[in-house]
Amino acid sequence: QKEVEQNSGPLSVPEGAIASLNCTYSDRGSQSFFWYRQYSGKSPELIMSIYSNGDKEDGRFTAQLNKASQYVSLLIRDSQPSDSATYLCAVRLTGGGNKLTFGTGTQLKVEL
Amino acid sequence: KAGVTQTPRYLIKTRGQQVTLSCSPISGHRSVSWYQQTPGQGLQFLFEYFSETQRNKGNFPGRFSGRQFSNSRSEMNVSTLELGDSALYLCASSRGVAGVTDTQYFGPGTRLTVL
Repeated sequence: QKEVEQNSGPLSVPEGAIASLNCTYSDRGSQSFFWYRQYSGKSPELIMSIYSNGDKEDGRFTAQLNKASQYVSLLIRDSQPSDSATYLCAVRLTGGGNKLTFGTGTQLKVEL
Repeated sequence: KAGVTQTPRYLIKTRGQQVTLSCSPISGHRSVSWYQQTPGQGLQFLFEYFSETQRNKGNFPGRFSGRQFSNSRSEMNVSTLELGDSALYLCASSRGVAGVTDTQYFGPGTRLTVL
């Protein structure tokens, strides 16, 4: 079992729809969770961070964390073509210091 | 505030050579982490430096090494390059303080091609 798992996609959604990206992790003691967006040929850009169970909203983005079920998700409302990118879930595992463990990323395509 | 900078942005080397990559963190950040990104393996952690000390290390061979200077700038070195070392090398900086909220910000990366 991989430490951090994501569906590779591609996930295709129409413009204006809600895109839902999911991530599961294996280390129950993990405490820090991050979503990064990566455009092709570019470096990862931080979108959201979440540390407590529940929802955290920032503009069109909502991160959801459920530690009991060991999953974290990212919702993108009113999806735009500019949201088309690969979304990386990153987890700071217990005892890993500042090391982030990444999922393989989900490719999102927002279609006109 | 300026972001993380990495130099050079692109490198072409041949097998057996060595290479040094440089990273300057965000002002005030004391932790620098290095990652390798390849299509097959994704983003993998190489090592982290904090206050000139390696604080954490990933599962890479000893050919991969790094260091950090007193101004928090960091370098990583890869010796005896192999074709499989072709990758995007990413540097990420953070404040480095203990706690769950320490957040890493990535630089633009160095694209290394080994021929």
